This record gives sequence, C-alpha cells and structure tokens, in this order.
Amino acid sequence: NAGVMQNPRHLVRRRGQEARLRCSPMKGHSHVYWYRQLPEEGLKFMVYLQKENIIDESGMPKERFSAEFPKEGPSILRIQQVVRGDSAAYFCASSPSGTGQGDTQYFGPGTRLTVL
Amino acid sequence: DAKTTQPTSMDCAEGRAANLPCNHSTISGNEYVYWYRQIHSQGPQYIIHGLKNNETNEMASLIITEDRKSSTLILPHATLRDTAVYYCIVRGRGTSWGKLQFGAGTQVVVTP
Repeated sequence: NAGVMQNPRHLVRRRGQEARLRCSPMKGHSHVYWYRQLPEEGLKFMVYLQKENIIDESGMPKERFSAEFPKEGPSILRIQQVVRGDSAAYFCASSPSGTGQGDTQYFGPGTRLTVL
Repeated sequence: DAKTTQPTSMDCAEGRAANLPCNHSTISGNEYVYWYRQIHSQGPQYIIHGLKNNETNEMASLIITEDRKSSTLILPHATLRDTAVYYCIVRGRGTSWGKLQFGAGTQVVVTP
C-alpha cells in the first residue's frame, strides 16, 4: 500500500509566480491535511479537506493561499504571487476518516518550496 | 486541545532504552495522546497513540499514568536511526479534531 505521495519534492519559484503543490492520499483515505514548516520552526496546521469540501481552514493565511481536494485527482495547495516568506516545507497528511476516535494521520515526504 | 510539555533535548546510548516524558496536565477525558517523530526534515512519522491504557507496537511502548496527566514513550532498543525530534500531541474531539498541534518536541540524539 503506497504511502502519501507529494509532488514535486522541490519547487523553486521567483517572487510573484504561482506555486502548485500536489498531494495524493493513501489508498482508501478520503481526508487530507496540509501543514507548513518554516525554516527552524515547528509544523503548523493549515487546512483540512474532505473530498470536495473544506472542513477547517483556520490555519490558512487569509490571502494568496487556497486548497482543494476534488472528487477525482490529488489535493492541490495553491499559493499565488509567492513571496520569500513562503519558502518552507509543506507537508500533506491523510487519514481514512476525520471523525473516528484515534483516527491516525499519515504524512507524505513534503514539498520544499524556495522563493527566489 | 490540551497543551503538552516535553524536554527540549535528550541523549541516549545506542542499544539502550530511550524514555521520553510528556506532561499534559490539562488533558480531557476524551482526548488521545499521540506520538510522532521527524527525522531530519522528513515528513513526520506516526509512532503510537493511546487513550488511557498502555499501548505497544513494533516501534515503541506508550505508558500513560493513571490520572492521564503525563505519559512516557519508550523506545526499547535505540538505534542511530532513532535520532529525531519526537512530538507528543494531545488530540481531542470537536472542531479541532482534524488538526495536529505540534509543539517544539524533544530532540533525541542516539550516540554510538
């Protein structure tokens, strides 16, 4: 059973460009979570999605960031007009469901975004 | 969700057991204790979780005190590959169920 897959693993963008990060959850998982880790800092929750629904976006910056998890295909985290402060590692996690007690999130390898 | 307190760092000799403490004195009755680790910028790796009973799997054991205000993660025979930051997370129901709130964790260094 393949784990959570993220691509690209490394992404370089110039200021003002758009970044698209993709996450394919584990087979059978319908819940996806995005986290960000700034250099030398801890992991911070960004957004929690179920197929076609955003469940919790309390950690998403108000501007330039959006996320989706369509019925078909991977989850996408989109950052418009990137700035240097967006340089970070972005991790995706998935779980079979989101409400079960003890429901475990499994993480992907991350995408390292560098903004020049 | 309840907050957790962990030591900043600890060293462990290869082959010995590593005992990682975590305090969560404000934990509620329906909140779980989760442990993850992150090896040098890789994605966090799930280790184990529990509610009130002690748990064991192929990676580690989790000992939760009877009052549930603290717990200990035990790596029975530490190897160099266990060097990582270990996170203790309390996770509960409600609107915050979906998110994991990572603290600073404990940097564990396993030495030969």
